[in-house]
Amino acid sequence: DVKVTQSSRYLVKRTGEKVFLECVQDMDHENMFWYRQDPGLGLRLIYFSYDVKMKEKGDIPEGYSVSREKKERFSLILESASTNQTSMYLCASSLGAQPQHFGDGTRLSIL
Amino acid sequence: GNSVTQMEGPVTLSEEAFLTINCTYTATGYPSLFWYVQYPGEGLQLLLKATKADDKGSNKGFEATYRKETTSFHLEKGSVQVSDSAVYFCARAIYNQGGKLIFGQGTELSVKP
Repeated sequence: DVKVTQSSRYLVKRTGEKVFLECVQDMDHENMFWYRQDPGLGLRLIYFSYDVKMKEKGDIPEGYSVSREKKERFSLILESASTNQTSMYLCASSLGAQPQHFGDGTRLSIL
Repeated sequence: GNSVTQMEGPVTLSEEAFLTINCTYTATGYPSLFWYVQYPGEGLQLLLKATKADDKGSNKGFEATYRKETTSFHLEKGSVQVSDSAVYFCARAIYNQGGKLIFGQGTELSVKP
């Protein structure tokens, strides 16, 4: 079974902090994705990556960056956290055109 | 454009009731279509998929048929259980962009005993 692991289930940070959300997958998938999930808005794609050191902006990249130094790890970075970035963050991975596999999510609160 | 539209929730049903959650999409061509389910406190899990027109995806008693003439992929289950309470997401693929998915806004289902 594919395992996508997000480093934290719950995280509380302060406005202005630099925040790192980590995601690791164990199935050698080339594609990895970061979404945020907000009530009434569904899932919105922040960034995705289809290879090591490659990244593409999704629909809402502002205020975020990503890093993919190794195939199995995809990090989401909030350069200077703001309260409007309080959300549920979901990481996913996929192989080619196969369905995406999701982690359990990180509920991030910015105070 | 590319979009996925789901019926709004929350949907509240009694156990053993029939479930339909509507999903329509816009697309050029025939993208693969998916239903994902999110149980409380968890990430999304693939529930079923269909990769071409007239395909029927099925899993755990849920079914959805890819209807190109109505650009729809409605989710159905004949008899829901309390354990089916979750949020359901319809999604379509964009294969020329690294396996990206476009999601509907999600439909919350609550099944009462």
